[in-house]
Amino acid sequence: AQKVTQAQTEISVVEKEDVTLDCVYETRDTTYYLFWYKQPPSGELVFLIRRNSFDEQNEISGRYSWNFQKSTSSFNFTITASQVVDSAVYFCALNEVTNAGKSTFGDGTTLTVKP
Amino acid sequence: DVKVTQSSRYLVKRTGEKVFLECVQDMDHENMFWYRQDPGLGLRLIYFSYDVKMKEKGDIPEGYSVSREKKERFSLILESASTNQTSMYLCASTESVLGRMSEQYFGPGTRLTVT
Repeated sequence: AQKVTQAQTEISVVEKEDVTLDCVYETRDTTYYLFWYKQPPSGELVFLIRRNSFDEQNEISGRYSWNFQKSTSSFNFTITASQVVDSAVYFCALNEVTNAGKSTFGDGTTLTVKP
Repeated sequence: DVKVTQSSRYLVKRTGEKVFLECVQDMDHENMFWYRQDPGLGLRLIYFSYDVKMKEKGDIPEGYSVSREKKERFSLILESASTNQTSMYLCASTESVLGRMSEQYFGPGTRLTVT
């Protein structure tokens, strides 16, 4: 069975600090996809990134970067120079190709960025 | 701009009432999902649908049913609402692409309170 663990329930940082959100997953499949979503206080989840199991390249998008390591089953998300607008709940999710498109979500990490 | 809309942002119902939550997407997506979100529990899948008139149970289907008569609309039904169904309900949709998992697009959520 697939499982996603986000061990950090809440993180609080001061603006301009860097912060890393951890995501550890479990799967028996060799083909799977990992996602990060952001849920701001307004409530609507927004897609941030998708990674498939065959692509271990790290990715950077502005202040956001993602580190995918199959050896440790981790897909961590780093925000550089955090801003107040980054305050949100962040979810990591896993889709196994054999599980017919269903996503398993972690419990989420609530990030608070203080001015 | 892609859109998933939900019929209500806030809803208050009494125990025993039949409740309908409606979700509409305008992206011609094949797959649609209903989740509930509770503090500390992340997103839990209630039901999903891969096509019109097709439905499959998710992880917590008890007390719920669904209907998908048209491709763009996916309804969640609480046959007899109970207080433990007080929650945030999220609808999502995703396209079906052979060999690739697409990201999910979420609606704004319906916060249901059952008294």
